[in-house]
Amino acid sequence: DQQVKQNSPSLSVQEGRISILNCDYTNSMFDYFLWYKKYPAEGPTFLISISSIKDKNEDGRFTVFLNKSAKHLSLHIVPSQPGDSAVYFCAASGVLSGTYKYIFGTGTRLKVLA
Amino acid sequence: DVKVTQSSRYLVKRTGEKVFLECVQDMDHENMFWYRQDPGLGLRLIYFSYDVKMKEKGDIPEGYSVSREKKERFSLILESASTNQTSMYLCASSFQTGKYNEQFFGPGTRLTVL
Repeated sequence: DQQVKQNSPSLSVQEGRISILNCDYTNSMFDYFLWYKKYPAEGPTFLISISSIKDKNEDGRFTVFLNKSAKHLSLHIVPSQPGDSAVYFCAASGVLSGTYKYIFGTGTRLKVLA
Repeated sequence: DVKVTQSSRYLVKRTGEKVFLECVQDMDHENMFWYRQDPGLGLRLIYFSYDVKMKEKGDIPEGYSVSREKKERFSLILESASTNQTSMYLCASSFQTGKYNEQFFGPGTRLTVL
């Protein structure tokens, strides 16, 4: 059972517009969330994170929003640039049933059109 | 900068062969991880290690084993390769287990089992 889900496998956005990538999780014991970006033929790289005690974290063009009641987080990229075209993974971490877990979603492929 | 290197970028093996994938990190990280990435399934944890000679099963350990004899090196072993182990394998490392930990990934090894 997928505990961290990214329901949109792909997304296309025009350059300069906002990109919104979504992620849902099932377990309220997750307390820290991260986004990674992955280019082809490279490993994922860390992008931005948020603790469950916050509902927003911003870093330049990237903002992550957390809605704990809905068990939902989103990554906003404004403005989107062609270099943002990549696969984005969300990850959730926390202690579940006494074990530390760090679980990735299935990824969303973002294509920013010039 | 943290550097995680993997021994091969591409590997082709035959069914039944024993396969070794090597990973080395240069930042004295306690934790090391092996994932596989498959389309539509995201990153799935195979094994991780939080200390030398220590290992823990991840979500999909069947058909794999690991070895961590030195802190900087974490090896993934396919005892008898099968075609369903054709995948992208990613190694990662992080500081001590905790929720504020980004993982640093290597470039990946694309393994094809014929």
